[in-house]
Order: sequence, then C-alpha cells, then structure tokens
Amino acid sequence: AQSVTQLGSHVSVSEGALVLLRCNYSSSVPPYLFWYVQYPNQGLQLLLKYTTGATLVKGINGFEAEFKKSETSFHLTKPSAHMSDAAEYFCAVSDRSNYQLIWGAGTKLIIKP
Amino acid sequence: DGGITQSPKYLFRKEGQNVTLSCEQNLNHDAMYWYRQDPGQGLRLIYYSQIVNDFQKGDIAEGYSVSREKKESFPLTVTSAQKNPTAFYLCASTISLDSYNEQFFGPGTRLTVL
Repeated sequence: AQSVTQLGSHVSVSEGALVLLRCNYSSSVPPYLFWYVQYPNQGLQLLLKYTTGATLVKGINGFEAEFKKSETSFHLTKPSAHMSDAAEYFCAVSDRSNYQLIWGAGTKLIIKP
Repeated sequence: DGGITQSPKYLFRKEGQNVTLSCEQNLNHDAMYWYRQDPGQGLRLIYYSQIVNDFQKGDIAEGYSVSREKKESFPLTVTSAQKNPTAFYLCASTISLDSYNEQFFGPGTRLTVL
C-alpha cells in the first residue's frame, strides 16, 4: 500500500530563513506527487505538483519541490520565509489503483519574527 | 469564477440530530470527495463519488451518508450514529478518475456538537 510520511508535525523558522518541509512516499509505480497549503479555517490550495518530466517543480508563493526517485522524496523548499507562509502544509501521492490521494499528516510551519 | 462552495461555514448540532452539509461545484468535475479533518490527524476520506448516482465508502464512512443526484452536488449527512462528529469537513473534486487526481477544495464547514 502507498503511504506518505511528513517528518515533523511542526517546523519553526525565522523570517528570511530557508524553509524545508520533508515528504517521503512509498509507491510501487511512478508517483504523482502534490503539496497543498492550508491557512487556518480554510480549505486546501494546491502549491505545486509533480506528474512527469522535470523533477524540480516550481509552485506558487516562491515554493519549489524536487522529486528524487532514488530517495523516494518530494521535499518542499523556499529560500526565504515570510510571515505570510505560516500555515499547514500537506504532501500527497496519487494512488492510481483507486485514484485517491494518500495524504501525509501535515506539517505546521511557524515563522518567527 | 469556477470553484467549490460549501455551506454553512459553521454548523452547530445538538446530540441526536442529523445535519446535512452542502457541497456544490461548477467546475464540471466528475469526481467528488468528502474529508474529515481533526487536529493533528490530517485528512481522512469519508465518501467519494466517481459519477452521478454512484458513490463509495472511504476509510471512516460509519455514521455518515451521501447522495449524488446531480453532477454539481454532493451533500453529506452527519447522522446521529456518528458519535464524535465535531470536526472540520472538507469537500473536494477532481476532473475525472483518469486524471492525475489533482483535487480542488472548498472552504470547509466546521461542525460543532453542543
């Protein structure tokens, strides 16, 4: 069965510092991978996705992620954190056997002034 | 603008009551989903529907029911059999199950049992 692991339920960084949110997946087939962001009391918004092609994917709000097949990882990064980045971030992999998304538990990003 | 609407945004239920959460989409998407979100537990799938008049149970369907009479609408009923319904409920849709399964989300409904 496919699974997604997000390392760290909470990550705290200083404003202006590098943001790194980790996501590892297990999949028996080439995966489709997603990062979503959720602000308090709101729905989820797609940040970026990997389907095929270039392994470095750029998304909205300055975020990017790199698909590394050998490491089964899809870590999310942003060079310089902004206060507005404070939110919860979810990694997901598409389960092609039943076309559902398998979700990680989420990581809350805290930005320190 | 295309999107997914959920109503109401906040809902309060007395014990023993059934309540229905609305989800409407004008994206012309085939598939729709209901998730439950509790603090620290991520998203858990309640029900999903691939086409009109068809739906499947997800991981936590007990105490919930759905219908899919129209492509645009996928209401969720939280029945009195659901013992701990206080949570944030999210509706989502995707173009079709033959796509990458990129899901689009509504703004959510927060249900509180009094």
